[in-house]
This record gives sequence, structure tokens and C-alpha cells, in this order.
Amino acid sequence: GQNIDQPTEMTATEGAIVQINCTYQTSGFNGLFWYQQHAGEAPTFLSYNVLDGLEEKGRFSSFLSRSKGYSYLLLKELQMKDSASYLCAADAGNNRKLIWGLGTSLAVNP
Amino acid sequence: GAVVSQHPSRVICKSGTSVKIECRSLDFQATTMFWYRQFPKKSLMLMATSNEGSKATYEQGVEKDKFLINHASLTLSTLTVTSAHPEDSSFYICSARPTGTDTQYFGPGTRLTVL
Repeated sequence: GQNIDQPTEMTATEGAIVQINCTYQTSGFNGLFWYQQHAGEAPTFLSYNVLDGLEEKGRFSSFLSRSKGYSYLLLKELQMKDSASYLCAADAGNNRKLIWGLGTSLAVNP
Repeated sequence: GAVVSQHPSRVICKSGTSVKIECRSLDFQATTMFWYRQFPKKSLMLMATSNEGSKATYEQGVEKDKFLINHASLTLSTLTVTSAHPEDSSFYICSARPTGTDTQYFGPGTRLTVL
């Protein structure tokens, strides 16, 4: 079967660093997406990893290990506006539709 | 770049009526668009994959006669909820993938309330 796991909830403090993990099992694999979704809004694209390694984009970085079926999203210098749900999604190559995790709800406290 | 719009953003309708939702890619062409629905505090649920010029591919359990999808051009896909009922009330979100790329960009969503 196809499965994506990520923690349901996380809490962190403003200014800190937080790492959100995602593990996946898919029959095929092209790459791994991270999206951010604020309450009541649609998801916004954060990153797409195809190759192993870390990709940095400002305060956000994303890591992928294809051999381990593992990815993480790293958020630095947390701000209150980073409180949102973070969705991990795998491009499993099946008509290029994405397999979605249930999302990690991150609460950033002052 | 990669802006996707949806219209309307909110709609309230009576049970039994039909509602059409438009999804447009504003600054790129999208051979493929996707339609999702999302219930409060739940994950995205893919309803169908919409391909320009051909029939949509529906996910298991999604009634194709109830959720009509038309993708008549490279920048527009429409979802029509026919004979809507209160249980169809949900947040409907489309996404579009620029032709030749892998990333899906989402529209702002349409909140449908059926009375």
C-alpha cells in the first residue's frame, strides 16, 4: 500500500528551530513536496525534493533520503505567523497525483 | 508566477441546486488540474484529476455524475456539484500543474454551504 506518516501536532517557541518529520512508503516515487496551510486557506507550496540532501530556502529547509523513505522540513527563527499545518506529499508517479499526509499542526508560542 | 484563481470563494445554495466552481491558471498553462475537498481539520482528499481535452479521472468513491468536471482549455477547469445536498458542504480546492513541471499550485479554495 501507499502510506505517509507525519506527527499530528507540534509546539515550538518563537525564535526557535523546529523539525517536522515525514516518512513515506509508495509503490513508485518521483519526489517529495511540503506545503503550508493556514486555517481556512488553501495550501501554499514550500518545497519539492527530488534528489537526496538538504535544500535551503530562507528560513525553511527540506531534506530527503530516498533510501530511507524519509524527509523533514526545518523551520528556523520561528515566527508566530508560522503557526499552520504542514503537509507532506509524495509524488508516487501514478498519473502524477500526490499521496498526502494528514498534516502536522504547528503551534508557535511567544 | 504560478497563480491559480478560484471563483466563487464562497457560495451558499439551497439543497437540490447545482453549483459551478471555476479554477483558472492565470500566468501559466496547465494540462492537468486536480480537484480536492477538505473537511474541517482533515487532510486533503483528491476527488479527480482533470486533463485538458479528455475525460477526468475520478478517485474511488467519487460520483462522476454528481461532480462534473470540464477542462476545456489549458487555463480553465470547472467543477459542477449537481443536485447539491447538505453533506456536500465542504471546502473545495483546485490545483494546477504547469505543463512540463511537477509542482501543483493551489487555488484559494471555495467554501460551499448547502442549506
